[in-house]
Amino acid sequence: DGGITQSPKYLFRKEGQNVTLSCEQNLNHDAMYWYRQDPGQGLRLIYYSQIVNDFQKGDIAEGYSVSREKKESFPLTVTSAQKNPTAFYLCASSSTGTDTQYFGPGTRLTVL
Amino acid sequence: QKEVEQDPGPLSVPEGAIVSLNCTYSNSAFQYFMWYRQYSRKGPELLMYTYSSGNKEDGRFTAQVDKSSKYISLFIRDSQPSDSATYLCAMWGSGSARQLTFGSGTQLTVLP
Repeated sequence: DGGITQSPKYLFRKEGQNVTLSCEQNLNHDAMYWYRQDPGQGLRLIYYSQIVNDFQKGDIAEGYSVSREKKESFPLTVTSAQKNPTAFYLCASSSTGTDTQYFGPGTRLTVL
Repeated sequence: QKEVEQDPGPLSVPEGAIVSLNCTYSNSAFQYFMWYRQYSRKGPELLMYTYSSGNKEDGRFTAQVDKSSKYISLFIRDSQPSDSATYLCAMWGSGSARQLTFGSGTQLTVLP
């Protein structure tokens, strides 16, 4: 089955710790995206990558970092610099940088 | 003012009702319009994708675009309890609108 997987589904972190969220796709898509979703605010773009070894900041990149070493993988690190990291994180991919985006199941991060 | 405005609801309707969900936008560079459905604690799934003004039908769902009024709608006929979800509009285009921009979502409950 083709699709996007995210792990873990739920993640708990203590304040001051970095944590990495996994996103893998087997759709052979070039572009991948990370969004943050908070209640009542829709989806906000954190980072995106249109090709391996290249990525760009989205609207709310502060406190986050990414890498794109493989076409299939686009992990997101939530650093201790992110002031309010508790949220639902969604990974998406598309066949080009401007085509329809397909989403993974999400990771809910809670900072204790 | 947000580029894309969507009434957050919540909206409750009885089973079998016709549901109308709407978004307005301000950037005339938006050319491609999508509706995503998101069940609680899940990733959004693409429902409808339209380009031109007018109607596009898919089963019980009809997407309507009025570019002159900068207004898009999603109609659900014969609504079912399984339609209970949050519905997100999204749009992108050229130039200043190259990034996919989401509405904040409308929460719909269909009561049996």
